[in-house]
Amino acid sequence: QVQLVQSGAEVKKPGASVKVSCKASGYTFTSHAITWVRQAPGQGLEWMGLISGYNGNTNYAQNFQGRVTMTTDTSTNTAYLELKNLRSDDTAVYYCARVPNWYLDFWGQGTLVTVSS
Amino acid sequence: IVLTQSPGTLSLSPGERATLSCRASQSVRANYLAWYQQKPGQAPRLLIYGASTRATGIPDRFSGSGSGTDFTLTISRLEPEDFAVYYCQQYVSSLVTFGSGTKVDIK
Repeated sequence: QVQLVQSGAEVKKPGASVKVSCKASGYTFTSHAITWVRQAPGQGLEWMGLISGYNGNTNYAQNFQGRVTMTTDTSTNTAYLELKNLRSDDTAVYYCARVPNWYLDFWGQGTLVTVSS
Repeated sequence: IVLTQSPGTLSLSPGERATLSCRASQSVRANYLAWYQQKPGQAPRLLIYGASTRATGIPDRFSGSGSGTDFTLTISRLEPEDFAVYYCQQYVSSLVTFGSGTKVDIK
């Protein structure tokens, strides 16, 4: 069965960076893209970008250009999201999800990132 | 493309029919429109893709319809586990957008 298991909660200070992992299993990692979506407390879903599991090509949402880096490690079937120069409004739950075509069919459990001084 | 969902909140009783709307600011090509359900403390779950195709394991009381700029998610008879927030999502030019969500709560 397809599973995406994310790393644990993080607490960071403003200006720091955070790196969240998403380990995939139950399918051929290189056959599908992984996307990252975040959700601030009490708010809706915000798309951050997408990375190809095949060749690592990325497409980032304009709101995050310059601050976000998405990578993959095909030897461990793991995708990573790094967000730099954190601000308090980056406090959110960060989700990874598999993208078989253009929709998101399996989601990770979410990783809470808290940015606080 | 901006997706506008309405209403913001829908208050209904179990057994009633729920009709949720998602309107796009531009035409959504090839019906690249999906719907998700999210319950408190959980990740979203895919319900519908391609505007009208139910995802694996989704009960047939959930149905999607529409094309172009106007899409609808219908829950024919609300079950207690259906009270949740619902999001629509579109995909164009390798960019993804979500609507702001409709909360279906118990009247």
